[in-house]
Amino acid sequence: EPEVTQTPSHQVTQMGQEVILRCVPISNHLYFYWYRQILGQKVEFLVSFYNNEISEKSEIFDDQFSVERPDGSNFTLKIRSTKLEDSAMYFCASKFRDGNSPLHFGNGTRLTVT
Amino acid sequence: LAKTTQPISMDSYEGQEVNITCSHNNIATNDYITWYQQFPSQGPRFIIQGYKTKVTNEVASLFIPADRKSSTLSLPRVSLSDTAVYYCLVGDNNAGNMLTFGGGTRLMVKP
Repeated sequence: EPEVTQTPSHQVTQMGQEVILRCVPISNHLYFYWYRQILGQKVEFLVSFYNNEISEKSEIFDDQFSVERPDGSNFTLKIRSTKLEDSAMYFCASKFRDGNSPLHFGNGTRLTVT
Repeated sequence: LAKTTQPISMDSYEGQEVNITCSHNNIATNDYITWYQQFPSQGPRFIIQGYKTKVTNEVASLFIPADRKSSTLSLPRVSLSDTAVYYCLVGDNNAGNMLTFGGGTRLMVKP
């Protein structure tokens, strides 16, 4: 079964550094998402992306965050200047173009900001 | 966005049927109900989705009453490996619309 893949599985960075989290969505999916989950808390929506532009974003997704689909396969989340509170699991998800199809999630990147 | 309410946790024993109910009183006409399962350090995994009445697949059943203000995920004959957090999501499945996770139900299956 095709799956969403995310790299790296774990990233450690220092406060103030830029990080790029990478995702390869399922190949025939056209809608892409980033969610995050702080340890012990619920999964939070960050942003959705379609047709090379952001569809929706949450309050968490401020100017420090950006997303990009640089080629036909990758979908990236960039955090420009990381803060301690950005430490979390970041999940990428994608869905097929059909409106009733569910989200398919990757297994996440654990970001640790020190 | 429809808000969902689920029990925080449930305990069960191997071989039992588990029913987890989710309340979503302000569900909208275009909203679908989707359940996900999440194991520690893994991404949520789709279990089942429905709009009304009953849906069944190889792992679960989903019961939705006529007023759609609640739904019940039914897991037949659970095993230890079903220990996980189960999330009920309600939303318009049109692509790009955010789907919001609630707190989920932490199911513990005991031997």
